[in-house]
Amino acid sequence: KNEVEQSPQNLTAQEGEFITINCSYSVGISALHWLQQHPGGGIVSLFMLSSGKKKHGRLIATINIQEKHSSLHITASHPRDSAVYICAPSTGNQFYFGTGTSLTVIP
Amino acid sequence: SQTIHQWPATLVQPVGSPLSLECTVEGTSNPNLYWYRQAAGRGLQLLFYSVGIGQISSEVPQNLSASRPQDRQFILSSKKLLLSDSGFYLCAWSVFRNLNTEAFFGQGTRLTVV
Repeated sequence: KNEVEQSPQNLTAQEGEFITINCSYSVGISALHWLQQHPGGGIVSLFMLSSGKKKHGRLIATINIQEKHSSLHITASHPRDSAVYICAPSTGNQFYFGTGTSLTVIP
Repeated sequence: SQTIHQWPATLVQPVGSPLSLECTVEGTSNPNLYWYRQAAGRGLQLLFYSVGIGQISSEVPQNLSASRPQDRQFILSSKKLLLSDSGFYLCAWSVFRNLNTEAFFGQGTRLTVV
C-alpha cells in the first residue's frame, strides 16, 4: 500500500507550457514537501507547506489538507525544469515519499 | 546557514568489501538525521533515522548499519557489500520548527557494487 500517490509518472511538455503534477496521500501530516531531483541525483527542497498556497518564481504549490491532496504547478516551463519532482508528506520524524514525476521539457 | 555535506558523490566497490558513507550537518543542533536509499526507478526508502547521538532506528532489515557518533554526524556502513546494495544513498536532516518539519537533503552517493 502506497501512502503517497503521484501523477503523472512521466510527463513531456513543450517549452512554455503550464505543467501540473498531482500528489495524493493517505496519512495525517504536519507538512508536505515538494522536492526536485536532477539527473545527478541531488535533491533540492522546493517547497514546504502545511496549508494554502506558496509561490516561488514560476513554481506554485498548493495543498488541501481536508482532501489530502497537493499540486505543483510550473508556469512557462523551460528545459532546465527537466527533473524528477517528488512529493514528500511528513509528520514528526517520518517522511513519506512518492515515486516521483519525471518531467522533460522540450525546447 | 544550514547545510548538509555528504560524501563521496560516487563510489564503485567490489562485492564483499566494506562501506562507509559519511554525512555531516552544519547550522543546526540536535537535528533528526536520516539515511535513504533509492533503487533504480523506485522511490526513496527509509533505511535509518536518528533523533540523537547513539540513537538509531532501523526501518528495514538489511546488510547495512548506521551510527551517530556526534550530534551532526551520521555514518552508513556495511562490513560486506552485496550486489543488491547498489543504489543511490541520500542523507537528510530535519528539525521541527514553528509547527512544521523543515527538511534538507544531501547531494547523495551513487554506489555501484561490482
